[in-house]
Amino acid sequence: DGGITQSPKYLFRKEGQNVTLSCEQNLNHDAMYWYRQDPGQGLRLIYYSQIVNDFQKGDIAEGYSVSREKKESFPLTVTSAQKNPTAFYLCASMRTVNTEAFFGQGTRLTVV
Amino acid sequence: AQKITQTQPGMFVQEKEAVTLDCTYDTSDQSYGLFWYKQPSSGEMIFLIYQGSYDEQNATEGRYSLNFQKARKSANLVISASQLGDSAMYFCAMRIIQGAQKLVFGQGTRLTINP
Repeated sequence: DGGITQSPKYLFRKEGQNVTLSCEQNLNHDAMYWYRQDPGQGLRLIYYSQIVNDFQKGDIAEGYSVSREKKESFPLTVTSAQKNPTAFYLCASMRTVNTEAFFGQGTRLTVV
Repeated sequence: AQKITQTQPGMFVQEKEAVTLDCTYDTSDQSYGLFWYKQPSSGEMIFLIYQGSYDEQNATEGRYSLNFQKARKSANLVISASQLGDSAMYFCAMRIIQGAQKLVFGQGTRLTINP
C-alpha cells in the first residue's frame, strides 16, 4: 500500500545532541514538508522541498536541517542549536498539483 | 505572504447540531487551494475537503461542506448533523499553486461535541 512513513514514533534526546527524524513516501509525490506542532497549537512549517536536491526554509527553520537526495526521502535533523526541540513533528507529501496532502503518523521528540 | 487565520480557539456544540468553523486567508496569488484537516487526539491528520480558487461551486464531502467566499477570502467548514466522533482539532490550510508551493496551516479550532 502507498503511504508516508515516519520513524521513530517516539524519540528521546539528550541536550546537546543532534537527532534525525525519518520520513519516507512511496506515493511518487514531488513535494514534501516538515511541520512542528506544540501542544494545543497549529502546524508550523519548518522546511519544504518540491524536487530532489532542492529545499526551502519555512517559518521556523532555525536549528533544523534537511536533505532531499531521493524523491522518496526527506529526513529532518534537529540540531543542538534548536533550544526547545520538544514537540510533535509531522511530515507530509503532495503532488505538484493541488490534491490532498498525505501525512505520516508523526514523531514525538522529547529532550531529557 | 500566505496566512491562514482561525479565530475560534474552541467550539462547543450539541450532538446532531450543525457547526461552522471559520477560516480566513490572505494571499495576493490568484491560483491556490484550500484544505481542511481533522486531528483527533491520536495526532493523525485526516483530510476532509478541498476547494480550488477557481472552483465555482462549494466543495462537499458527505457531512462536510466548504463555504467558499472568494471576495471575503473566507473558507469556512460546515459540519452537518455533528456526531460525538467529530470532537477533534480542525485545521484550515492553503497552498499556492504557482511558485514556492508552501502549504501553510492555521492555528486550529478545538471542536467538542456534547451528548
